[in-house]
Amino acid sequence: DTVLTQSPALAVSPGERVTISCRASESVSTLMHWYQQKPGQQPTLLIYLASNLESGVPARFSGSGSGTDFTLTIDPVEADDTATYYCQQSWNDPRTFGGGTKLELK
Amino acid sequence: QVQLKETGPDLVQLTQTLSITCTVSGFSLTTYNVHWVRQPPGKGLEWMGAMWNGGGTDYNSAFKSRLSISRDTSKSQVFLKMNSLQTDDTAKYFCAREDYYSRFDYWGQGVMVTVSS
Repeated sequence: DTVLTQSPALAVSPGERVTISCRASESVSTLMHWYQQKPGQQPTLLIYLASNLESGVPARFSGSGSGTDFTLTIDPVEADDTATYYCQQSWNDPRTFGGGTKLELK
Repeated sequence: QVQLKETGPDLVQLTQTLSITCTVSGFSLTTYNVHWVRQPPGKGLEWMGAMWNGGGTDYNSAFKSRLSISRDTSKSQVFLKMNSLQTDDTAKYFCAREDYYSRFDYWGQGVMVTVSS
């Protein structure tokens, strides 16, 4: 299975720029997606195919990468961005998710 | 509008079988794939399996032969059935739509299932 590795947690101040990384154990081309999950809610799609912003998602969010290394950037971070962020690949079977990065605001 | 809603039991006894229904609206099961994803309390997301729009299925090998996914297109429903439940199957179970970009663009609210001894 394709293992996706994310840093477990980050803490930033509002207005700062934050990058969340996701490293795949094998190439996933650009079939990488990013989701935001707030406590008690279902995940919501932020970025698809590595760098495409989902409709309705603020332009503060952006994604980049291909192959095995991917990044989700939030710039500037707002208080409402407190959440856990997951990467997910759909290039290899089975679909897999990263362990999630919990973003906290200082 | 697109909606997915999971319905199922809150509590299942140890070693028993879990059955959850995902009822969808706003799209056809013959056009889009529907996946099952679960999340134990305080933990991350785990892909369980899929119902392809053509009627085939795919499963995470972690669940071996315990898991079965089926559908009733006339009722716009996808079913998850998993047997031999253990306490570590306690989780929130989500269904999600996968579109032609292979992204999970819509999710249900999930159903929290506790496995009790």
